[in-house]
Amino acid sequence: GAGVSQSPSNKVTEKGKDVELRCDPISGHTALYWYRQSLGQGLEFLIYFQGNSAPDKSGLPSDRFSAERTGGSVSTLTIQRTQQEDSAVYLCASSQTAGFREQYFGPGTRLTVT
Amino acid sequence: GQQLNQSPQSMFIQEGEDVSMNCTSSSIFNTWLWYKQEPGEGPVLLIALYKAGELTSNGRLTAQFGITRKDSFLNISASIPSDVGIYFCAGEYGANSKLTFGKGITLSVRP
Repeated sequence: GAGVSQSPSNKVTEKGKDVELRCDPISGHTALYWYRQSLGQGLEFLIYFQGNSAPDKSGLPSDRFSAERTGGSVSTLTIQRTQQEDSAVYLCASSQTAGFREQYFGPGTRLTVT
Repeated sequence: GQQLNQSPQSMFIQEGEDVSMNCTSSSIFNTWLWYKQEPGEGPVLLIALYKAGELTSNGRLTAQFGITRKDSFLNISASIPSDVGIYFCAGEYGANSKLTFGKGITLSVRP
């Protein structure tokens, strides 16, 4: 496949509902990252997966946020009991090697919590 | 924590003009990256810099890794309308550390 893909591209949900966002990284990339981008802001790191190592969850803003990466490929970011402040674009990126250099981003999922 | 400063928030230039963008930090970074983001898309990597003083070009784009390792700049020469977008700098300050992103500069190009 080509680049990083994410689904859905847009998600509107009611406050209090759970949402799942999906990321398919570039084939062969061992590292996968999730970021959050709020309007007019830079990218806020959320979580990082590298191979079979324990993920770096230090950027998750609360325990309502969690992520999994199955089989070292596809990742799902789950937000439970969504709040209006969760509204943002959620970006996924992957890189070929360990570490954070040269990350390639997907198109993002725009989440709107009403 | 590490912070990257990009200013101004917006820049407006005429087609054909050159433009320069700075990214500064109070901390040392080991890697500098420049990304461009267009509406509805994820950021696209433009240039990666790995060594202090390094100067790298990608078409009409040129970026440099500052000697002090606390800054980087991106130049766009002979701008065209499709250069419009948000330009982010990002830095890495240690092995397996996180990428820190600036807040971006929105570039507008008047035809």
